[in-house]
Amino acid sequence: QQPVQSPQAVILREGEDAVINCSSSKALYSVHWYRQKHGEAPVFLMILLKGGEQKGHEKISASFNEKKQQSSLYLTASQLSYSGTYFCGTERKTSGSRLTFGEGTQLTVNP
Amino acid sequence: NAGVTQTPKFHILKIGQSMTLQCTQDMNHNYMYWYRQDPGMGLKLIYYSVGAGITDKGEVPNGYNVSRSTTEDFPLRLELAAPSQTSVYFCASSRDSYNQPQHFGDGTRLSIL
Repeated sequence: QQPVQSPQAVILREGEDAVINCSSSKALYSVHWYRQKHGEAPVFLMILLKGGEQKGHEKISASFNEKKQQSSLYLTASQLSYSGTYFCGTERKTSGSRLTFGEGTQLTVNP
Repeated sequence: NAGVTQTPKFHILKIGQSMTLQCTQDMNHNYMYWYRQDPGMGLKLIYYSVGAGITDKGEVPNGYNVSRSTTEDFPLRLELAAPSQTSVYFCASSRDSYNQPQHFGDGTRLSIL
């Protein structure tokens, strides 16, 4: 079951904040977040375990609400380099290391 | 470290032809994956492997085959290529078990005409 990401797209000015959400209808073991710039490969940002909140690099952090099977990615004081498409990948206990990816959220940061 | 290396980077294939996309990694990862990504969409798992000699189907395996004879290499074969297989193909690898980040290659952009 593919996770649902929202919003589909967001446009920011440099310095503004954004939140990207990822929700699943299935019980999750962990949630991964990746960023993909146009024409490039996805790059790993962070993993959220059950009950975990993790700070990533730059000013990007995330949380995971295991009761609601939802994860949120927080981008604070956005920089131009944050532009790209953000994907969540969900991992279930029964799926081994396989991830099911959402459709992505396209983030554009303008000067 | 090279990480995950995919070849070729671009290819144009005629309908009905076959080809093999190459993927190799130098991180000694047991787990390897093949994904396809259609324009503006997310990643769909085609096949994956948890070690040499072990492969299994993902979400969209039809029209593809894989083999894993060594830890380093995980080639993807397209038989009887169809226009619906036009996509960007990514290979990835990770350490064993859960909660491990996946490391992606640069992708192969494949067009079938």
